[in-house]
Amino acid sequence: DAGVTQSPTHLIKTRGQQVTLRCSPISGHKSVSWYQQVLGQGPQFIFQYYEKEERGRGNFPDRFSARQFPNYSSELNVNALLLGDSALYLCASSIRGVNTEAFFGQGTRLTVV
Amino acid sequence: AQKITQTQPGMFVQEKEAVTLDCTYDTSDPSYGLFWYKQPSSGEMIFLIYQGSYDQQNATEGRYSLNFQKARKSANLVISASQLGDSAMYFCAMRETGTYKYIFGTGTRLKVLA
Repeated sequence: DAGVTQSPTHLIKTRGQQVTLRCSPISGHKSVSWYQQVLGQGPQFIFQYYEKEERGRGNFPDRFSARQFPNYSSELNVNALLLGDSALYLCASSIRGVNTEAFFGQGTRLTVV
Repeated sequence: AQKITQTQPGMFVQEKEAVTLDCTYDTSDPSYGLFWYKQPSSGEMIFLIYQGSYDQQNATEGRYSLNFQKARKSANLVISASQLGDSAMYFCAMRETGTYKYIFGTGTRLKVLA
């Protein structure tokens, strides 16, 4: 069975640009969460979606947005990129929204120059 | 506020030896879950082991065991018979029951020596 897949794996953008990251959850998983991992730190929670509804949002500015599609895949959008947005962006899926372990993808490494 | 603390930025262990990675947590919720994840250089977070706050016994998964001391709010990961492939970053994480958000520590980089 395929695990969580994310695309692209690497991305270089210029300050001020916009970026869209994509995530396909494990088949049968209805919950997708996004995390930002800055170099040398643990992942920080950005969003969680369950059954196509936003169920949680972390302490990130409105430049960050996301959505979940009917097939449970998800996109994370970041507008007006800043140098500080350079990070590994991880997507995690789980069967339900709560009380189940999350399975992570390999991440998208975003570099803002 | 919930918090995870990992005080060991880096650890070395000899191949085939056991190693303990420390994790302490802080929460006021009586119901929560504790997790350990392994992150190789490729970036993917690999789930290793889970311990629920009401579990009476320490969790074990193959060579991984979790030393859960609730009164001390610690959840240390023990890796037995270390292998070269165990070299990676290890993250402790907590999730309060009924929530969807994981709180991660800053991680411990483990290096297994041949």
